[in-house]
Amino acid sequence: ILNVEQSPQSLHVQEGDSTNFTCSFPSSNFYALHWYRWETAKSPEALFVMTLNGDEKKKGRISATLNTKEGYSYLYIKGSQPEDSATYLCAFMDNAGNMLTFGGGTRLMVKP
Amino acid sequence: DTEVTQTPKHLVMGMTNKKSLKCEQHMGHRAMYWYKQKAKKPPELMFVYSYEKLSINESVPSRFSPECPNSSLLNLHLHALQPEDSALYLCASSLRHGGADTQYFGPGTRLTVL
Repeated sequence: ILNVEQSPQSLHVQEGDSTNFTCSFPSSNFYALHWYRWETAKSPEALFVMTLNGDEKKKGRISATLNTKEGYSYLYIKGSQPEDSATYLCAFMDNAGNMLTFGGGTRLMVKP
Repeated sequence: DTEVTQTPKHLVMGMTNKKSLKCEQHMGHRAMYWYKQKAKKPPELMFVYSYEKLSINESVPSRFSPECPNSSLLNLHLHALQPEDSALYLCASSLRHGGADTQYFGPGTRLTVL
């Protein structure tokens, strides 16, 4: 059983705040790390797929970094907006490449 | 079009009923997935189809029976379910299975077993 953990479990911020949260995963047998954004009653939306140590990806105000040697990824949101309120999931794929193992998610709530 | 559709959105069934969940994508993806998500837990993989063949069955009870009639469709047939099977069932697809390809998810079917 692969251990993929996310912290914090939930986060309340004010509109305009910048925030970040963590995904930790096994540092051995790494293949890929996926980030998803999941709003209530909608489909999980793919944000990033990261494969290389030191990778940084950006999509608008959201960015992510990857450290495969120590087994963590950070997701950053700059200038949070109420529409950023969602659960952010990371998912780890090992080099068997067969399946995604999801973390428990970070639930972000942005207050206007 | 990066959409995966799932029907129905909600389903309530008794323990003796037979029902089916449907999933469809038209992105030309050759890998399709069923996940189960219980409240406050992460999605857990149930089945993977690759090129319309069952590739992975994560020790799912036989009361769940997947079917992939063609490259665009994925069904999950349900029979004699238990109340603990109540969950959100998510379908996903990706270009191929076994790589770092993005998995695109549908909105899920919320299943309640009485």
